[in-house]
Amino acid sequence: DVVMTQSPLSLPVTLGQPASISCRSSQSLVYSNGKTYLNWFQQRPGQSPRRLIYQVSNREYGVPDRFSGSGSGTDFTLEISRVEAEDVGVYYCMQGTHWPPRTFGQGTKLEIK
Amino acid sequence: EVQLVESGGGLVQPGGSLRLSCAASGLTLSDHYMEWVRQSPGKGLEWVGLIRKKADRDTTEYAASVKGRFTISRDDSKNSFYLQMNSLKIEDTAVYYCARDLSGGLKNYWGQGTLVTVSS
Repeated sequence: DVVMTQSPLSLPVTLGQPASISCRSSQSLVYSNGKTYLNWFQQRPGQSPRRLIYQVSNREYGVPDRFSGSGSGTDFTLEISRVEAEDVGVYYCMQGTHWPPRTFGQGTKLEIK
Repeated sequence: EVQLVESGGGLVQPGGSLRLSCAASGLTLSDHYMEWVRQSPGKGLEWVGLIRKKADRDTTEYAASVKGRFTISRDDSKNSFYLQMNSLKIEDTAVYYCARDLSGGLKNYWGQGTLVTVSS
């Protein structure tokens, strides 16, 4: 199984400041069709998860443009350009290239300082 | 508007069975990969399994931790899909979410989750 490793696991951020979460996979996530199936999910307290980013850098409809994804191969990053209060929650990366199983990172808890 | 609504959670003894349902409105389940994800109390997300769309023969895939005990199926007449859970273990205690295609290019939807507690 592909192991997804996130860092940091806890991320205190000042409102209005940027934030960055790293996700590394144990093998390349490039599929045979050339696409990379790396996704980012946000789970706000008490809510269901929702996907923010798919295929590394594509924002879901309705996701603010302060969220961006980048990376390739085995190294990926989710960036928030200016953290807002509503961004508090846990962020997960998930690979959809080598499945089953789909595998998630451990989660990164973002909190406001 | 698309909605996914899970039901069927509850308290069950170890070794028991439970069937979760996920009813959809606003989309036709048989046209999509539909997935189950669970989250144990205070823990992260764990993929449980999926059922492929009808065009891909409704085949299923499972996580190793549930393979042989859990079965995913779909009822197109009810636009619902299911997670039959047998031989439940204490470690199956979790909130179970249904979701549309976690990794595809279409908009991703999740249900509100249903809590399964396995305890004696």
